[in-house]
Amino acid sequence: DAKTTQPPSMDCAEGRAANLPCNHSTISGNEYVYWYRQIHSQGPQYIIHGLKNNETNEMASLIITEDRKSSTLILPHATLRDTAVYYCIVRVANQGAQKLVFGQGTRLTINP
Amino acid sequence: DSGVTQTPKHLITATGQRVTLRCSPRSGDLSVYWYQQSLDQGLQFLIQYYNGEERAKGNILERFSAQQFPDLHSELNLSSLELGDSALYFCASSPKQGTSGGYSTDTQYFGPGTRLTVL
Repeated sequence: DAKTTQPPSMDCAEGRAANLPCNHSTISGNEYVYWYRQIHSQGPQYIIHGLKNNETNEMASLIITEDRKSSTLILPHATLRDTAVYYCIVRVANQGAQKLVFGQGTRLTINP
Repeated sequence: DSGVTQTPKHLITATGQRVTLRCSPRSGDLSVYWYQQSLDQGLQFLIQYYNGEERAKGNILERFSAQQFPDLHSELNLSSLELGDSALYFCASSPKQGTSGGYSTDTQYFGPGTRLTVL
């Protein structure tokens, strides 16, 4: 699996957009970028994933650069409940290997 | 709520003992995964089952074993427990291994976890 690099921590004001970067310079063509978050020892929560194109759902937007070497997760209007550790995972996408490899993630703190 | 349930929520036991953690996947999901999260190791993949068969193994100790039953629920058995086994244990499930252009895009959904404390 390609390794990812994320800043260990970030702060964001409530109501503002939170932009979480992730570098995955060794990503290969068949690997997807997944984002999960973990709120204080709860089970990791799936947020969004993508391959090449930008993606948006009710939780967030995912922007992937054209060369696919980095991506940004955007929480458009952060709330206090978005305080969590956010994991960027580049996943080997084949039928045999389904595991998720978690790094240290980014600890996002939303401030009132 | 992800739809994945795990029992018990908390488990306190002594060294040398054996425990069983249970996971019920989302309705219709065929794959079950087990992960361990300890303070010093982070979230680590242990093992995957797909429709009753072991599919992949990660950093799972020989003292640990798992199985998936015909009703698709799974159990993780931990034996000869040591202090270092204290951790959060998460189960995740995903649908059948779908493919898109030949590559799987199965998304895993996690349960709330079981906190194991070994004294």
